Amino acid sequence: KAGVTQTPRYLIKTRGQQVTLSCSPISGHRSVSWYQQTPGQGLQFLFEYFSETQRNKGNFPGRFSGRQFSNSRSEMNVSTLELGDSALYLCASSFGTRGTAYNEQFFGPGTRLTVL
Amino acid sequence: EDQVTQSPEALRLQEGESSSLNCSYTVSGLRGLFWYRQDPGKGPEFLFTLYSAGEEKEKERLKATLTKKESFLHITAPKPEDSATYLCAVSERGSSNTGKLIFGQGTTLQVKP
Repeated sequence: KAGVTQTPRYLIKTRGQQVTLSCSPISGHRSVSWYQQTPGQGLQFLFEYFSETQRNKGNFPGRFSGRQFSNSRSEMNVSTLELGDSALYLCASSFGTRGTAYNEQFFGPGTRLTVL
Repeated sequence: EDQVTQSPEALRLQEGESSSLNCSYTVSGLRGLFWYRQDPGKGPEFLFTLYSAGEEKEKERLKATLTKKESFLHITAPKPEDSATYLCAVSERGSSNTGKLIFGQGTTLQVKP
């Protein structure tokens, strides 16, 4: 079956702009988690959405926000971009409900954001 | 503070030279421990999930094991195509931790022919 897809794959923005990234989960998965990956900090959790509701949030400023639609697709928005926001943004999907495999997350290819 | 530490940071092996990667973790209650493989410029690829101490999982040349404090990823007779960064992540029990994986910094493996 099709994996997690993310669009766009690459983005170049300038400081102060805003950006929206999109993630389509594996069919049947209702949970989408977002992560930021940088060489210095590694993979850090941004937030998780399940059934259109944010269930969990990491330690990122309010400039980072997201939403989820009824078909489980998710978007992430970053406003007032800073140079330090340059990173690979990854989304991961999972079933998100009780069960031994419910927290197994499958990642998309990522969106490479460069802020100039 | 919850923490996941992987060692070594980098590992160079000759083809066929077996070795192990280590992942130690400190969380108040482990829901699951996950191993991923990441190639440059790509998203992490899921390898294994381990839930309880003593559990083992195998896939081709890889074998993952779990104790109460750490996990090992054993690589038997590696090939050059096994070269990648291997990431360890944990999920902690509790409703406030849903959907969140805590990652280690990874071990970058290079296998030379």
